[in-house]
Amino acid sequence: QVQLVESGGGVVQPGRSLRLSCAASGFTFSSYSMHWVRQAPGKGLEWVAVIPYAGDNKYYTDSVKGRFSISRDNSKNTLFLQMNSLRTEDTAVYYCARDRGGMGAADYWGQGTLVTVSS
Amino acid sequence: QSALTQPASVSGSPGQSITISCTGTSSDVGRYSSVSWYQHHTGKAPKLMVYDDNKRPSGVPNRFSGSKSGNTASLTISGLQPEDEADYYCCSYTGSSPLYVFGTGTKVTVL
Repeated sequence: QVQLVESGGGVVQPGRSLRLSCAASGFTFSSYSMHWVRQAPGKGLEWVAVIPYAGDNKYYTDSVKGRFSISRDNSKNTLFLQMNSLRTEDTAVYYCARDRGGMGAADYWGQGTLVTVSS
Repeated sequence: QSALTQPASVSGSPGQSITISCTGTSSDVGRYSSVSWYQHHTGKAPKLMVYDDNKRPSGVPNRFSGSKSGNTASLTISGLQPEDEADYYCCSYTGSSPLYVFGTGTKVTVL
């Protein structure tokens, strides 16, 4: 069965960096685009970034452009989110999700990992 | 690009039908057949309920249905069940930045 397991969250000071990972199993990882979506405390879901199956043409929401970088290692079935220059407003649960194809609905999601940016 | 607009809350009794609206613009909801709907129970992974405006993934009960008219998409839950109590979010492809935009979210309460 499809499984997505995020890791790497934690407490970090503003301005520092953190790298999230998402281990995928149960499907051919290299055939699917992948997303990161976040949810700040008490807020709704916010799309963060997407990477195609080949790893090119990455897209980001405006608030993280230049600070976050999405990448993947298809040989290790793993998705990453490198987060630099973190801000308090980046505090959220971060989910990785598989893109089902077509117009981009996310058909499988992980349980999320909490990132807290605080001094 | 602003978040799509959803009502903050919708409620209904078991067995009733409810509809959640999702209003965007002619640049997102109205332009692409890409609206998806997600059910989110607190502390759990979101679940895809509808994609491409009105298609239902396998395993999703047929009491969940999606539709769209102009710039407004809707999710209807027929025969409301206690386990349907959750937060629901719509999402649309935009073709610009950001590439995807979620709705503001709707809390569904089963009375």
